[in-house]
Amino acid sequence: AQKVTQAQTEISVVEKEDVTLDCVYETRDTTYYLFWYKQPPSGELVFLIRRNSFDEQNEISGRYSWNFQKSTSSFNFTITASQVVDSAVYFCALSRISSGSARQLTFGSGTQLTVLP
Amino acid sequence: ETGVTQTPRHLVMGMTNKKSLKCEQHLGHNAMYWYKQSAKKPLELMFVYNFKEQTENNSVPSRFSPECPNSSHLFLHLHTLQPEDSALYLCASSQGTNGKLFFGSGTQLSVL
Repeated sequence: AQKVTQAQTEISVVEKEDVTLDCVYETRDTTYYLFWYKQPPSGELVFLIRRNSFDEQNEISGRYSWNFQKSTSSFNFTITASQVVDSAVYFCALSRISSGSARQLTFGSGTQLTVLP
Repeated sequence: ETGVTQTPRHLVMGMTNKKSLKCEQHLGHNAMYWYKQSAKKPLELMFVYNFKEQTENNSVPSRFSPECPNSSHLFLHLHTLQPEDSALYLCASSQGTNGKLFFGSGTQLSVL
């Protein structure tokens, strides 16, 4: 069975602070995908990143960066110099790498990030 | 705009009502999904359709009945719901095996 744990239910920071959202996963698969999605107040989840389990290079995209540590089964997400527009619920997710075109994701319970002006 | 449109945005229904949620995707994707989002809980996958065929039913009660007439449209028919079914129902679509889902804004359902 697959499981994703986001222990931080809510985080509040002041604008321009850096913030890290934690994600820990469990899977018996040796290869898998990891994802982060953002859910703004409008409701729709927006894809941020997908990582393949055999690629442990960290990734940076603007103010966003992701730290994948296979040894600790973690895939943490850092926002540098946070902005009010970053306020949202952030979900970490896990899926198998399998054939077929309908990929099923296992989501964590999400972290509500509030960035105060 | 993600290319996935859900209607209605809000729905209030009694336990004896019958209603339907609608989802339409304009992305040319071949897979569509229904997820349930309850407060403080992980998103729960309900149903998956791949090329109009249902490929997954995650032990969803029969009071939820999905319908996928074509690859662009997905419905969720609701009848005799319970108050605990109140939640945000999200539709998503995807193409290929990259796992990148495109979500609609959801229908906020309240069952009285």
